[in-house]
Amino acid sequence: AQRVTQPEKLLSVFKGAPVELKCNYSYSGSPELFWYVQYSRQRLQLLLRHISRESIKGFTADLNKGETSFHLKKPFAQEEDSAMYYCAPPSGSARQLTFGSGTQLTVLP
Amino acid sequence: NAGVTQTPKFQVLKTGQSMTLQCAQDMNHEYMSWYRQDPGMGLRLIHYSVGAGITDQGEVPNGYNVSRSTTEDFPLRLLSAAPSQTSVYFCASSLGRGRTGELFFGEGSRLTVL
Repeated sequence: AQRVTQPEKLLSVFKGAPVELKCNYSYSGSPELFWYVQYSRQRLQLLLRHISRESIKGFTADLNKGETSFHLKKPFAQEEDSAMYYCAPPSGSARQLTFGSGTQLTVLP
Repeated sequence: NAGVTQTPKFQVLKTGQSMTLQCAQDMNHEYMSWYRQDPGMGLRLIHYSVGAGITDQGEVPNGYNVSRSTTEDFPLRLLSAAPSQTSVYFCASSLGRGRTGELFFGEGSRLTVL
């Protein structure tokens, strides 16, 4: 079964500082890796997916197959980035999206 | 489009009571799923369905029952509520069709079992 590790439960950075949210996974059978975000009082939503190689709200995520990591990065954090972030690589069956335990990001003014 | 709609948003139960969390989507998605969200444990898959009439267990299925009689609806039943089932429950759907795609989530249902 897929195991997903987000080592930081809480992460605080100052506005304008770079931010990196770490994600490591155990199974690399599919190129479809996702980051989901939950802003305060909003529903979970897709932030970005690896396969489309896009940048959303200034965030990018680099897939490192050798390290089986999919860290989320942004060069200059904004206060509106404060949210809970979940890494989600699919399981081997591709029917069950496995979520990490989440990282609560707080961007301080 | 309403997207994914969950009801109720809040519920308090006593141990041993049963209830059903409703989930409906209007996007004609094949895939629907239920997750529970607990502090420090992220989202854990309870049950999922790849189409009407087909359901399967996820990571934490015990104490929960599901059915999928229509494409639109995927109710989650708690058979005999226990305090360990106190959680926030999310229903999610995706287009499916053989590959994992973007999940669309409901707003969540906060359940407290006393």
